[in-house]
Amino acid sequence: DAGVIQSPRHEVTEMGQEVTLRCKPISGHNSLFWYRQTMMRGLELLIYFNNNVPIDDSGMPEDRFSAKMPNASFSTLKIQPSEPRDSAVYFCASSNSADFYTDTQYFGPGTRLTVL
Amino acid sequence: GNSVTQMEGPVTLSEEAFLTINCTYTATGYPSLFWYVQYPGEGLQLLLKATKADDKGSNKGFEATYRKETTSFHLEKGSVQVSDSAVYFCALGGATNKLIFGTGTLLAVQP
Repeated sequence: DAGVIQSPRHEVTEMGQEVTLRCKPISGHNSLFWYRQTMMRGLELLIYFNNNVPIDDSGMPEDRFSAKMPNASFSTLKIQPSEPRDSAVYFCASSNSADFYTDTQYFGPGTRLTVL
Repeated sequence: GNSVTQMEGPVTLSEEAFLTINCTYTATGYPSLFWYVQYPGEGLQLLLKATKADDKGSNKGFEATYRKETTSFHLEKGSVQVSDSAVYFCALGGATNKLIFGTGTLLAVQP
């Protein structure tokens, strides 16, 4: 299995530009999660989907952030417009159910975003 | 609300030393507990987990026991290797339906 695939691995952009991060979950998994990791705030859950439907987006910082999952094999996280404080590593993870109690989440390698 | 507290790093050890990374939690109900590991430049991966009190999770020589009476899930390994150098995250899965991560502990093992 290829694991969770994220692209790009690194993104450098200027303030005000639109940024799109992409994720392909593990085939057969029905839950997908977007996290953000920074030194100051650690690892934060932004949003998660179950069967392509957004279940909880309470972690999305503000309206500049949006996420979609048009099908079971693809998701995007978009930031428009981007700001320097959005600089972080963004992880996508997937699992084969949405039971946080017991299920293992499989993480992608992350996208390191730098907003200048 | 639910939370996880883990010891601050970095933890620096010599090869073959004994490792303990402390993790305590606050939660309502009966959460599951996890240790994830992040190697340099990679995403997190599950190291071990325990889903009920007194369960012991183990993998790759690492162990952690779910202690309800002390609300703890300390990670241990009897003899660390240089290849164990990574960031270790304690996490809790519970009634809030979110996986709550600790701040991470950097382990550096020197040859």
